[in-house]
This record gives sequence, C-alpha cells and structure tokens, in this order.
Amino acid sequence: GEDVEQSLFLSVREGDSSVINCTYTDSSSTYLYWYKQEPGAGLQLLTYIFSNMDMKQDQRLTVLLNKKDKHLSLRIADTQTGDSAIYFCAESIRPGGGNKLTFGTGTQLKVEL
Amino acid sequence: NAGVTQTPKFRILKIGQSMTLQCAQDMNHNYMYWYRQDPGMGLKLIYYSVGAGITDKGEVPNGYNVSRSTTEDFPLRLELAAPSQTSVYFCASSYPGQGATINTGELFFGEGSRLTVL
Repeated sequence: GEDVEQSLFLSVREGDSSVINCTYTDSSSTYLYWYKQEPGAGLQLLTYIFSNMDMKQDQRLTVLLNKKDKHLSLRIADTQTGDSAIYFCAESIRPGGGNKLTFGTGTQLKVEL
Repeated sequence: NAGVTQTPKFRILKIGQSMTLQCAQDMNHNYMYWYRQDPGMGLKLIYYSVGAGITDKGEVPNGYNVSRSTTEDFPLRLELAAPSQTSVYFCASSYPGQGATINTGELFFGEGSRLTVL
C-alpha cells in the first residue's frame, strides 16, 4: 500500500535550519517530491529527487533520501519568516502512467523571530 | 499563461444541494486531477484523467462525478452535498512528456475551492 507520514508541526527561530521529515511505505516509488503551500494558496513544487539518488541540493534546500529506511527529509538552511508554510512530501510510482501522487499529511512550519 | 484556474473560490451549500466545481488549464496538459484537502489529512485523490474522454477513480471518489470532454476542462460534480464533503478542493494538471522530454511528474495546482456544506 501507499502511505506517507509526516509530523504535523515544526517551530524554528529565524536563521536556524529546519528539518522536515517524511516516511513512505512504497519501495517502488520512482520520484519523491516536496511541495510548499502558503496560506490560502495551492501547492507549488519546491524540489524533487529521483529514487536512485541519495541527496539533492538546491540553494538553501537539501533533500536526503534513505531508501533502506524509506525516509525522506527536507533541510532548509537559514530559515526565514517567508518560509512559514505547510510542506508536503509526495511519492509517485509511475510518472508516465497518470502520475498519481500520494501526499503526506503536511508539516506546518512556523518561523519565529 | 493563467495555469490552472478553479471556480468558485468559495461556496456554501445546503445538505442535498448539487454543484459543479470548474477547473480549466491552458498548458495543454494531458493529465488532470481532483484532490481534497482536510486538516491533518493531507491531500486525497478523488478522480483523475489521462486525457479527453478518459476518467478514473482515485482514493475517495464516493459522492463525486467528473467528466473530461476537452483537454482543457475537468469539472467536478457533487450531486447530493453532505457535511462530510466540507473541504478545500484542488484541481491539478501535469504533462506526461514526449520523446526525450523527461517527465518529472510535477503537478501544477490551482488556488483551491473552499466548500462548506451546512
């Protein structure tokens, strides 16, 4: 089955690093994604990682993938107040076959001054 | 490009009423999806479509219907509204990729439609 789990809340101070964690159960996932949802808006893709990669870095964002433990994490360096949002991880088994993403519950990140 | 456009943004329904949530995309994407978002539950797939004339059920299709007569439009219909359908509904689309184009599977989302059933 497909089940993606995340903790619901994370609070950090401005300037600190944030780490948002995600576990998934389907080992056949080929792509894993992080989406960001700002208040009152739809989801926007932040970054993604192929299942054959261990790490991907994109400016302040670092994605780590541990396939053995089915664990995905998103690290945001130098967290800013504008990073306050809900972050969703998602997995896809077949991007070419309808690409039905399974989303996690979302982690609400609150950045405090 | 407008991307994915959803209407209405907000709606209040009485139990038993029916309505249609509209979704249109101008990116020539073959794939379209309807998700609902409930607090602490993430997004659940209601229906999806891989092209005009083709629709399939997702994880939570009961109480909903869809149609896909054109590539651009993918309306979601609620026939007999129930309080359990109070939610935020998101339409999304994606491009399957052709030839050498890598399909990353990215979904492009609309801004959502907040529905309350009383």
